[in-house]
Parts: sequence; C-alpha cells; structure tokens
Amino acid sequence: EDQVTQSPEALRLQEGESSSLNCSYTVSGLRGLFWYRQDPGKGPEFLFTLYSAGEEKEKERLKATLTKKESFLHITAPKPEDSATYLCAVQDTGGSGGGADGLTFGKGTHLIIQP
Amino acid sequence: ETGVTQSPTHLIKTRGQQVTLRCSSQSGHNTVSWYQQALGQGPQFIFQYYREEENGRGNFPPRFSGLQFPNYSSELNVNALELDDSALYLCASSWRDRGETQYFGPGTRLLVL
Repeated sequence: EDQVTQSPEALRLQEGESSSLNCSYTVSGLRGLFWYRQDPGKGPEFLFTLYSAGEEKEKERLKATLTKKESFLHITAPKPEDSATYLCAVQDTGGSGGGADGLTFGKGTHLIIQP
Repeated sequence: ETGVTQSPTHLIKTRGQQVTLRCSSQSGHNTVSWYQQALGQGPQFIFQYYREEENGRGNFPPRFSGLQFPNYSSELNVNALELDDSALYLCASSWRDRGETQYFGPGTRLLVL
C-alpha cells in the first residue's frame, strides 16, 4: 500500500526566512510525485510534477526536488501570501494507490508566514 | 481555457438521504477523478472515470457511485448518507497518460446532519 508522510505538520516562519518541507513516500513504482498548494476551503492548486530521482523544478520562490524516497519543497524568502497548506501526492505505476491512476496524498504541511 | 468547475458549492443533507455532486472537466481533459477530504486531512481517492467507465476505486463502499458523460463531465452519487460523509468533495480532471497531472476544482462542501 502506498504511503505518504509529510513533515512538519505545521511551520511558522518570519517573512524572508527560508525553509524546506519534507515528503517521504513508499510506492511499488513511482509514476509521478505531485506538489499542490491549498488555501482554506478551496481546491488544491497544482505546483509541480516530478517523475524521477534527481529531478528539480522551480517556480518563483518555490523549488521542488526528488530522491528515491523523499521530496523536498524549498521556500526561499517567503512572503505572507505563501501561507497555505502544501500537499504532496504520489501516483503508483501499479495502481496500488487506490486505483489505476488515483493519487495518494499526505496530510499536508500548514505553513504560516508572518510579516 | 476553462478550468474544472463543481456544483453546488455547499450542501446540507440529513442522515439517510442521497446526494448528487457534479463536475465539469477542464477543456481537453478526458479523465475525471473524485476525492473526499475530511477536515485537517489530505484528499482520499474515491474513484476515477475514463471513457464513461469506472477506472479504479479507493477504499469506499458501493454506496459511493458515479457517472461520466460523453462530454467528460461527471457525477458523484452518495446513497444512505452517514455523518462521517461530511467533507469537502473534490473533482480533478486530467488527460489519461503516464503521470499526467490532475487539476482540481474548487470542491463541494457537504454537511450531513
């Protein structure tokens, strides 16, 4: 069974204070690892897709990296508008994540950036 | 390009009732997946529809059922509602392929009393 564990559960930073969020995963075969941002009461907003170990992607103040067992979301010089819950999800090649193409999500990291 | 839309935005039902939630996929996408998100949890996969057929299901009972229409829109039906069914129901659309990204709609907030 696929598993995704995110840490920390919550993180409070000062504006401009860089940090990293962790996503550890267990899958029989990785089809893709996804990062989403979710604001309260809204649907997840897509950030990145990573397919293989060593891959990196960047978007503004965010950078996602992938190894064979975990992924990191690095936040550089964050601003208050970066406050949100960040979700990590995996898609398994064998479909053991609940279906042929279902995503298995972690519980998320609740990030607060204080001005 | 039109994004994923869902209706209604909010819904209140009583235990034992039935509910239908609707989703319109993003233009160009042929696959729809449904997720349930309880408060403080990550989304949980319910099932996926491709070519109007169920294409995989998570650990949800048969009272959760769905449909996909020729225009790729979809419905989620839940019978015999239980209090624990109260959650945010999310629809995501994608183009069926290896590792294709799923794009989510705004969700429907269901409260069962």
